[in-house]
Parts: sequence; C-alpha cells; structure tokens
Amino acid sequence: EAGVTQSPTHLIKTRGQQVTLRCSPISGHTSVYWYQQALGLGLQFLLWYDEGEERNRGNFPPRFSGRQFPNYSSELNVNALELEDSALYLCASRQRHGGSYEQYFGPGTRLTVT
Amino acid sequence: GESVGLHLPTLSVQEGDNSIINCAYSNSASDYFIWYKQESGKGPQFIIDIRSNMDKRQGQRVTVLLNKTVKHLSLQIAATQPGDSAVYFCAENGVTGGGNKLTFGTGTQLKVEL
Repeated sequence: EAGVTQSPTHLIKTRGQQVTLRCSPISGHTSVYWYQQALGLGLQFLLWYDEGEERNRGNFPPRFSGRQFPNYSSELNVNALELEDSALYLCASRQRHGGSYEQYFGPGTRLTVT
Repeated sequence: GESVGLHLPTLSVQEGDNSIINCAYSNSASDYFIWYKQESGKGPQFIIDIRSNMDKRQGQRVTVLLNKTVKHLSLQIAATQPGDSAVYFCAENGVTGGGNKLTFGTGTQLKVEL
C-alpha cells in the first residue's frame, strides 16, 4: 500500500512570493490534514479537509489556504510568504469512517523563505 | 485552552536501558491518545495508541500508560536501541466545534548512547 506522498520535497522562495504544496493521501482515506513544523519545534495544526470541504483550521492567518480535490488529494497555498514561514510542512491522511483517529504522515515539504 | 506538553525536551539513555517519555495534557475530554516517532528528515510515524477507557496498552517493546486522574501519559521503551533515537510526540484527540482534531505536544528528543 502506497503511503502519503508530498511534493515537492524541498522548495526555496523569497519573501512576498506565493507557494503551492501538494499531498496525495493513502488510497481510501478521505481526510487530509496539514501541519507546520518549524525547526526544532512541534507540529502546529493548519488545516483539515474531508470530502472536499474544509472542516477545521488552526490559528494561522488567511494567507494560508488550501483545498481538497474530488480524488481526495490536497493543496496547501501560502501567499505573501514571510521569513517565519520557513518550516517543514507535513500532510497526513486518515480514513475518517470506520477507522481509528490515527493519522498517517507523508515525508513533508521543506520550505525555505529567504 | 487545550494543550499537550512534555516534561523533558531531551532524554539521553544508554543502549539497553529502558526509556520513559512523559506527556501532560489538559483537556479532560480527550478520548484518544497517540505516540508518534519522528526521525530526522522524515514525517512522524505511529508507534502506539490508547483510548481513554484504558490505562495501559502494550506493543512490541513499547508500553503506553494513561493516568486520567492527573492527565498524564507516558511512553516506555524497553531495551532502548540506537534506532530508537528520534523525537517522540504525544498527541491527544479532542472533539472541537469542527470535529475531531489531534493536538500535538512539543516533542522529546531521545538520544541513545552506545
């Protein structure tokens, strides 16, 4: 069974630019979660999508947004990048119905903002 | 508000010894807890979980203990090996207005000394 995949692996952007990160969940999983992990810190919840809709979002400004497609893959968009947006962005998926609360994580996208 | 915190940011143990990683949580309504392991450059991986109606659960070389009275969670790793070196996160599942959400702790760096 293929795991959660994310692209790109690494990304370097300059302040003010926009970025789009992509995530493909495990087959059969309908929920996708996005987290931000700054260097040496814990995971901060960003967004949760399920069945194509945004279900919950963390304490992040509106320039962080995303969407989920009919095939349950997801994009995370960050506009007007700031230096403090440099972090590892992790995507996780979960089988919302009939499964546990366990989330399966992808390898992440390392974003560096200069 | 909700929070999940860890008592020790770094834990060093000798190879072969037992490791104990602690976690405190504040949301008494949380019904499910997970421990994740994150190796350098990788996404978090599931280790073990426990529901709030249990106080102990064992896996392969790992045991999770839940003390709901003092809102404390611990992960015990038996016969710690060099491959156990990683950051360990606890996470609690709480039901918010938007549905289930995992809240992650800061993480504990486990270092195994040879």
